[in-house]
Amino acid sequence: EAEVAQSPRYKITEKSQAVAFWCDPISGHATLYWYRQILGQGPELLVQFQDESVVDDSQLPKDRFSAERLKGVDSTLKIQPAELGDSAMYLCASSFGGLGEKLFFGSGTQLSVL
Amino acid sequence: GESVGLHLPTLSVQEGDNSIINCAYSNSASDYFIWYKQESGKGPQFIIDIRSNMDKRQGQRVTVLLNKTVKHLSLQIAATQPGDSAVYFCAEVTGGFKTIFGAGTRLFVKA
Repeated sequence: EAEVAQSPRYKITEKSQAVAFWCDPISGHATLYWYRQILGQGPELLVQFQDESVVDDSQLPKDRFSAERLKGVDSTLKIQPAELGDSAMYLCASSFGGLGEKLFFGSGTQLSVL
Repeated sequence: GESVGLHLPTLSVQEGDNSIINCAYSNSASDYFIWYKQESGKGPQFIIDIRSNMDKRQGQRVTVLLNKTVKHLSLQIAATQPGDSAVYFCAEVTGGFKTIFGAGTRLFVKA
């Protein structure tokens, strides 16, 4: 069964350092999402792409976070500089069309900022 | 503002019993609702969905009920098994494309 791939699985960094997460969605899925999940809470949308275009990045802290999906396939989420409060699970998801469809999630990247 | 919430943060049930997980939503314009299951160390996994033009949908051992009058959603799991132990999230889709998750309910299944 096709899956959303994410790497790394775990990342430990010191504050003020730069970190990057990678996601490869299910083949053929046009829409890609990055969510942040704090322990004990539901996922919060950071950014949503339709192909290579950003559909919604209203909750993305643009002073330190950036995301790209240059060829409309895989995507990178970057944080620079990382802060203590960024410690969380970063989840990537994809969907076929993006309009009111179920999401397929990867296993996430667990980020710890020391 | 828009929000999706759950009545009970933790639910403990005996193996073999039925489980009911509840969810309240606030956006009456939401037209699509989804239940996800999240096991430890994994991403959320789709369980079942329902459109706003329906009030009930059944899957394998799971049933979702939607009451638009009181903006309430529930997930029923029949004959709960140890493998059902996880955190369950309801999510609503607003504006045709934005998925908003609730805080989640942790389900414990006692053997």
